[in-house]
Amino acid sequence: NAGVTQTPKFQVLKTGQSMTLQCAQDMNHEYMSWYRQDPGMGLRLIHYSVGAGITDQGEVPNGYNVSRSTTEDFPLRLLSAAPSQTSVYFCASSYSASSNQPQHFGDGTRLSIL
Amino acid sequence: DAKTTQPTSMDCAEGRAANLPCNHSTISGNEYVYWYRQIHSQGPQYIIHGLKNNETNEMASLIITEDRKSSTLILPHATLRDTAVYYCIVPPLNNNDMRFGAGTRLTVKP
Repeated sequence: NAGVTQTPKFQVLKTGQSMTLQCAQDMNHEYMSWYRQDPGMGLRLIHYSVGAGITDQGEVPNGYNVSRSTTEDFPLRLLSAAPSQTSVYFCASSYSASSNQPQHFGDGTRLSIL
Repeated sequence: DAKTTQPTSMDCAEGRAANLPCNHSTISGNEYVYWYRQIHSQGPQYIIHGLKNNETNEMASLIITEDRKSSTLILPHATLRDTAVYYCIVPPLNNNDMRFGAGTRLTVKP
């Protein structure tokens, strides 16, 4: 009963370093998305994917890359980490992109950029 | 995109019903109302969603007014574990972007 699994749970990076946040789901969901949550800002959509091989930008895509080579996995890459990317990152998935399909979230990755 | 308005905070006695209101006066005819909650340091948890009719599941009930301009989430018998921030969301039809606002901080007291 894993649902959406995010790794790592915590990470500290230095400015300029790169890293990949992992997200995997075992529900055969077509739609996957990445959000960041900052104090007082709510959730903001970074990138999303409506299926394998298809990705698109959300509200705040700059500084992040994604790919979707399989249905199960949707990694988020930080190319050159900046202090402004310090945040809590959540991955979510749903059966489809239909607005009638609830998204299910992972427990997040807490990322600090020094 | 439909904007939602929720009270900043609410208290509820343990064992009593918690009624959380939400205004979404600009909602369009095909947009759904979703409720999520977030317990400190955890990921958002889906509770319930609806379009026009009232909905009920094992967690809660959702009452949507006939004009769809507001809704109420009902937790029938609140427990201490229901203390969380509750979010009312109306995602746009084109990309299912779950734009969480500030939500309502519900505190269930013994």
